[in-house]
Amino acid sequence: QQQVKQSPQSLIVQKGGISIINCAYENTAFDYFPWYQQFPGKGPALLIAIRPDVSEKKEGRFTISFNKSAKQFSLHIMDSQPGDSATYFCAAITQGGSEKLVFGKGTKLTVNP
Amino acid sequence: DVKVTQSSRYLVKRTGEKVFLECVQDMDHENMFWYRQDPGLGLRLIYFSYDVKMKEKGDIPEGYSVSREKKERFSLILESASTNQTSMYLCASSPLRGSVPEQYFGPGTRLTVT
Repeated sequence: QQQVKQSPQSLIVQKGGISIINCAYENTAFDYFPWYQQFPGKGPALLIAIRPDVSEKKEGRFTISFNKSAKQFSLHIMDSQPGDSATYFCAAITQGGSEKLVFGKGTKLTVNP
Repeated sequence: DVKVTQSSRYLVKRTGEKVFLECVQDMDHENMFWYRQDPGLGLRLIYFSYDVKMKEKGDIPEGYSVSREKKERFSLILESASTNQTSMYLCASSPLRGSVPEQYFGPGTRLTVT
């Protein structure tokens, strides 16, 4: 009930391509869905987040698509760059609830030049 | 900017040693968290604290304890380190009931137990 399932585990994309990472959840009480980006040797940092009252949120080259009925959300990175190479984690939380984020297991993205 | 600092970036300890990992945040956040990160397993919550002297077990608390004597400081303790506790340890903080429940992470401590 508390899991967030993330796929793929790893992804290799050519420079300029589109990177797509998918996540699925079961708990319908989740109401905030952030994505974290982690570079090697660093802690994760918030990249972009969405609430279930919208179906899409875009910030620069990063877009979250949200499908409430399917309980799925995805991160799209347009025009992927080598500097985007990092590990990406999706997460979910119920605001006003336990204060704990439930994380997916992460996707290691490599963007080849 | 929020800053979460961890006492060591790299640590090597022997089996059976008592290990202290320290975390300090400077944003007056109520919530603090300890995670371990292992390849293929993602971020797993060890312990969580929502106030001074308050703690709550996460998903994998066995072999660990925590201490929070001051709001800004959250310590993770390995009472008797074992080789299966070799991992990257990440500390995070967040405001209680914040409008944006963002967690701010430290840079991590890579612990090796030999």
